[in-house]
Amino acid sequence: DADVTQTPRNRITKTGKRIMLECSQTKGHDRMYWYRQDPGLGLRLIYYSFDVKDINKGEISDGYSVSRQAQAKFSLSLESAIPNQTALYFCATSELESTGYTFGSGTRLTVV
Amino acid sequence: QKEVEQDPGPLSVPEGAIVSLNCTYSNSAFQYFMWYRQYSRKGPELLMYTYSSGNKEDGRFTAQVDKSSKYISLFIRDSQPSDSATYLCAVEGGGADGLTFGKGTHLIIQP
Repeated sequence: DADVTQTPRNRITKTGKRIMLECSQTKGHDRMYWYRQDPGLGLRLIYYSFDVKDINKGEISDGYSVSRQAQAKFSLSLESAIPNQTALYFCATSELESTGYTFGSGTRLTVV
Repeated sequence: QKEVEQDPGPLSVPEGAIVSLNCTYSNSAFQYFMWYRQYSRKGPELLMYTYSSGNKEDGRFTAQVDKSSKYISLFIRDSQPSDSATYLCAVEGGGADGLTFGKGTHLIIQP
């Protein structure tokens, strides 16, 4: 099994719909992150969590929310999806920032 | 000015060539420097990381950091078609929001 598992792998949804992306990890790390990747813009941090009771906004948190259900689970929600949220979304986990991140395989989200 | 600048490429070289990938950064507080490799439709994977200035070698890959110039490099020797991917540099300086990534350089190794 992969260290970081993201579901779904691909999703097409309509404008205005609520959608949840899920992430689970088996690394036993406390730190988890959600990024989006867009062509020409690179990876941008949406939210991060350093433990179950800790949630922090990243660079581009507007329009998104997260839930840290357990040490191993960190989900990202789009409350009312809009087309410019079409992107590749990655979840990651780390022991410390200085030790690098382990990324999932990503969720390709299309909002029509 | 962006904190980490990286030429997006594409960079196309023949198989067997030495590849040089580079990033510049603006914040002298950064202390950890990393390179990630990302294949198409996959997540980034950590390739190498270094602390402070100097070189680090791992097989065909060498990471180099020059803190005085705020310049980081990744060298790939004897490049292979399987090295074709996007390479992202990342830096970390102890701040609250983790790694800062470059936008990535798309590398193509021609057989």
